[in-house]
Amino acid sequence: KNEVEQSPQNLTAQEGEFITINCSYSVGISALHWLQQHPGGGIVSLFMLSSGKKKHGRLIATINIQEKHSSLHITASHPRDSAVYICAADNYGQNFVFGPGTRLSVLP
Amino acid sequence: EADIYQTPRYLVIGTGKKITLECSQTMGHDKMYWYQQDPGMELHLIHYSYGVNSTEKGDLSSESTVSRIRTEHFPLTLESARPSHTSQYLCASSNSYYGYTFGSGTRLTVV
Repeated sequence: KNEVEQSPQNLTAQEGEFITINCSYSVGISALHWLQQHPGGGIVSLFMLSSGKKKHGRLIATINIQEKHSSLHITASHPRDSAVYICAADNYGQNFVFGPGTRLSVLP
Repeated sequence: EADIYQTPRYLVIGTGKKITLECSQTMGHDKMYWYQQDPGMELHLIHYSYGVNSTEKGDLSSESTVSRIRTEHFPLTLESARPSHTSQYLCASSNSYYGYTFGSGTRLTVV
């Protein structure tokens, strides 16, 4: 069993749809990160969460520490949101434990 | 504006050559990392550093070495490149308070 799991693995949505990507982890963490990787390979850090909820534009990330679960929501999705979204557990500043990623395609 | 820089962005090199992938950050982060990622696959940690003169091997066995002589600089060296080293190499740095910043990556092809 992987230490960090994501669902779904692949997701296709129509432009404008509300999208949710889920992440579950079994390791102890100091923070949970959501990363976005575009087809060109560059990685952007979207959120770092240790509790509660954060919002940035159309993106919302939540975490439930007791349930060891985090979600990334995208409201009013757009084709430019198409990317791989990666959940990563921050192991008390030592290193990341990465989830397998969720490949999102938003169709116009 | 990127605060962590990787060069080169793309590299094609022959088998047996020695190569160094450069990574520099301007944020003063103590922790730096090298990850390897094959296309469409997960990222794997190959080396990390907690500060000057500190380097450790990561989860993925690698025939590469790193050095950390200055806080801002964390180069990765392959002494003798092989086709199995063909991959993308991503450098990252972190500050516990502000999270991680990734470089744009170096896409290496060994022919």
